[in-house]
Amino acid sequence: EPEVTQTPSHQVTQMGQEVILRCVPISNHLYFYWYRQILGQKVEFLVSFYNNEISEKSEIFDDQFSVERPDGSNFTLKIRSTKLEDSAMYFCASTTDQIFYGYTFGSGTRLTVV
Amino acid sequence: SQKIEQNSEALNIQEGKTATLTCNYTNYSPAYLQWYRQDPGRGPVFLLLIRENEKEKRKERLKVTFDTTLKQSLFHITASQPADSATYLCALEDSNYQLIWGAGTKLIIKP
Repeated sequence: EPEVTQTPSHQVTQMGQEVILRCVPISNHLYFYWYRQILGQKVEFLVSFYNNEISEKSEIFDDQFSVERPDGSNFTLKIRSTKLEDSAMYFCASTTDQIFYGYTFGSGTRLTVV
Repeated sequence: SQKIEQNSEALNIQEGKTATLTCNYTNYSPAYLQWYRQDPGRGPVFLLLIRENEKEKRKERLKVTFDTTLKQSLFHITASQPADSATYLCALEDSNYQLIWGAGTKLIIKP
């Protein structure tokens, strides 16, 4: 069964450093997403991406965040200057049509900012 | 804004029985509602999607209902097994086309 692949599985970074989280969505999917989940809390929407541009973003997704699909397969989330409160699991997801099908999530990247 | 409520307490069910989990929302009825399973340290796994014009959806031992009058969805697992133990999440799209999530209900199936 096709999978969404995320790397790295765990990233430790110092506060103020830039991090790039990487995702390879399922190849025939059209819609791509980033979500985060702080330990013990709800899954939170960050951003959706379609047709090579951001379609929706949440209040969490401020100027410190950016996404990119540099080629036909990778989808990245960049955090420019990490803060302690950015520590969370970051999940990438993709779907072919969100109205008829659910989302396929990756296993996540656990980001720890120290 | 739209809010989702799921039972925050863990649900303990004897193996072989039917587990029923509840998802309530507060505002307008979404076009569709989704249920996911999440295991510790893992990403959510999609289980079922039900649209507003559907009353019920089934997949193997799983059944989801959607009552737009009550603003509620019920998720049932019949003939439950210890391997069904996980956290089950309800999610729906808000007015900004963003998927919002319940906190999840932890289900424990005891042998």
